[in-house]
Amino acid sequence: TQLLEQSPQFLSIQEGENLTVYCNSSSVFSSLQWYRQEPGEGPVLLVTVVTGGEVKKLKRLTFQFGDARKDSSLHITAAQPGDTGLYLCAGAPRDSNYQLIWGAGTKLIIKP
Amino acid sequence: EAGVAQSPRYKIIEKRQSVAFWCNPISGHATLYWYQQILGQGPKLLIQFQNNGVVDDSQLPKDRFSAERLKGVDSTLKIQPAKLEDSAVYLCASSFTSGQGYEQYFGPGTRLTVT
Repeated sequence: TQLLEQSPQFLSIQEGENLTVYCNSSSVFSSLQWYRQEPGEGPVLLVTVVTGGEVKKLKRLTFQFGDARKDSSLHITAAQPGDTGLYLCAGAPRDSNYQLIWGAGTKLIIKP
Repeated sequence: EAGVAQSPRYKIIEKRQSVAFWCNPISGHATLYWYQQILGQGPKLLIQFQNNGVVDDSQLPKDRFSAERLKGVDSTLKIQPAKLEDSAVYLCASSFTSGQGYEQYFGPGTRLTVT
């Protein structure tokens, strides 16, 4: 069974602090996506990483795909209350061409 | 561009009752997904359609859940009879086609409470 483990499960920090959340697996993925889900809404895609070692930046968010394509991290610089939400990672297994494997998410709260 | 539409947004039913959810995907999207998201967990794929054909329904509890996508556009997901453990948010998503790298666009979900 392919699993994606996200850590921490819950994080509450003050506005302006930096944070990193992780998405780990023992499986290799062809690509990995990060989504943010706000209460009462569906997940919204933030980024897709495809190449081992790839780093993508989206304003204050930095996403990295591990060299072996088994793990990924999301780093937020100077967190703002608007960053509050559930961050989900989802990986496309190397041996499947369509179904995503989803992590359980990191619930992030940024306090003003 | 209109997003994925779902209705109803909320539903409360008693166990053993039946319920149906409706989804209208983004125009032109061939692939449609139904997910179940239990509080504190990530989405779990229930069924995936490519046009009006089923690609994957391996995690759909077929004794009580059914889904259809007539004419390859709108889709309905039905639960009959509902159990307490079916309480969850049911998300519909669509993508241009199946395959890696294609972004899934999600609707707002239907929050189901079974009492």
